[in-house]
Amino acid sequence: KQEVTQIPAALSVPEGENLVLNCSFTDSAIYNLQWFRQDPGKGLTSLLLIQSSQREQTSGRLNASLDKSSGRSTLYIAASQPGDSATYLCAVRQVDSNYQLIWGAGTKLIIKP
Amino acid sequence: EAQVTQNPRYLITVTGKKLTVTCSQNMNHEYMSWYRQDPGLGLRQIYYSMNVEVTDKGDVPEGYKVSRKEKRNFPLILESPSPNQTSLYFCASSLRDRENYGYTFGSGTRLTVV
Repeated sequence: KQEVTQIPAALSVPEGENLVLNCSFTDSAIYNLQWFRQDPGKGLTSLLLIQSSQREQTSGRLNASLDKSSGRSTLYIAASQPGDSATYLCAVRQVDSNYQLIWGAGTKLIIKP
Repeated sequence: EAQVTQNPRYLITVTGKKLTVTCSQNMNHEYMSWYRQDPGLGLRQIYYSMNVEVTDKGDVPEGYKVSRKEKRNFPLILESPSPNQTSLYFCASSLRDRENYGYTFGSGTRLTVV
């Protein structure tokens, strides 16, 4: 059974730092991995989608990588800002799973001004 | 604008009073799904639909019903809500048969059952 783990569970850093959030999964039979952002009590905003055949995707200050063979993905945030404070979730779309997403528990990120 | 729209955003109701949370998407997606999010338990799938008139149970379907009479709409029905259904609910949609396509989520419905 696929399991998705995100480390760390929480992270607090000063503004301006570059940081890395980690996501690992136990079964490499995935179609894609998606990173989301969630503000407290709010909806899920898709940040980046990496297809299983891709190694990385970039959007602005965000860069996500995927190493399917080792079951790892990282989300790199450059020059962090207080507005980046949120919970970041990764989710994998498992092969033969009826399109269900398997979710990590999230990393709660706080960027201190 | 391509989006998934959920209503209402917030709802407080009493135990046993039937309610419906609506979900509509304007992207012509075949696949739609409902998730609930609870502290410490993360996101769990309730029901999903592969197309019109095709629905199936997710991981936590007990106490919920869905219907898919039209492609764009996928309402979540709680026939007799109980306090353990207090949660944050999300509707999502995606293209079917496009394994590398992502999911679009609605803004969420925060339900409190007292």
